[in-house]
Amino acid sequence: EDKVVQSPLSLVVHEGDTVTLNCSYEVTNFRSLLWYKQEKKAPTFLFMLTSSGIEKKSGRLSSILDKKELFSILNITATQTGDSAIYLCAVGGNYGGSQGNLIFGKGTKLSVKP
Amino acid sequence: ETGVTQTPRHLVMGMTNKKSLKCEQHLGHNAMYWYKQSAKKPLELMFVYNFKEQTENNSVPSRFSPECPNSSHLFLHLHTLQPEDSALYLCASSHPGQGSYEQYFGPGTRLTVT
Repeated sequence: EDKVVQSPLSLVVHEGDTVTLNCSYEVTNFRSLLWYKQEKKAPTFLFMLTSSGIEKKSGRLSSILDKKELFSILNITATQTGDSAIYLCAVGGNYGGSQGNLIFGKGTKLSVKP
Repeated sequence: ETGVTQTPRHLVMGMTNKKSLKCEQHLGHNAMYWYKQSAKKPLELMFVYNFKEQTENNSVPSRFSPECPNSSHLFLHLHTLQPEDSALYLCASSHPGQGSYEQYFGPGTRLTVT
């Protein structure tokens, strides 16, 4: 059964800390891994990773994929209270005969305290 | 108006009511999705439409009935729901034909079944 597992499920840190969020997957027809940030309602796109070992970076956020070990990490440096959110990992592939379907993990709830 | 919009944002309905959720995307995408997000569970894919054709139905109970009149609009018709159907219902769109698995999400409809 295809699955995406995120850890930890919740995390509390203080402003300025660095955090690492983990995502492992077991899927067939893997094509890409995506990270989303969900603050209140709509998940917003952060990164899409398709190749191993190539880091994607956006400001204080970065992510990397290891297709051999089947996992990805999302790093956030110098955390701010505005980083508090649920971070979702999803794997995209060709599932059920339909390209573009995503399988989501449960998410990691990050709380950044002042 | 840009992006993915959903109406209503909040809905309270009794178990005998009939209501509909609406989603509209202004991104020129050809695939649209309905997801259910319950507390402490991963996002659950419910339905997928590609070019107005339903390509996936993830064993969703018949009390949920999707409709996709064109590539920009997606509805979810609800009738005789159960309290356990209370959740956040998210709509998303994408353009998988271009090799992109990035899905853009709407703000969601918070549904409460009483």
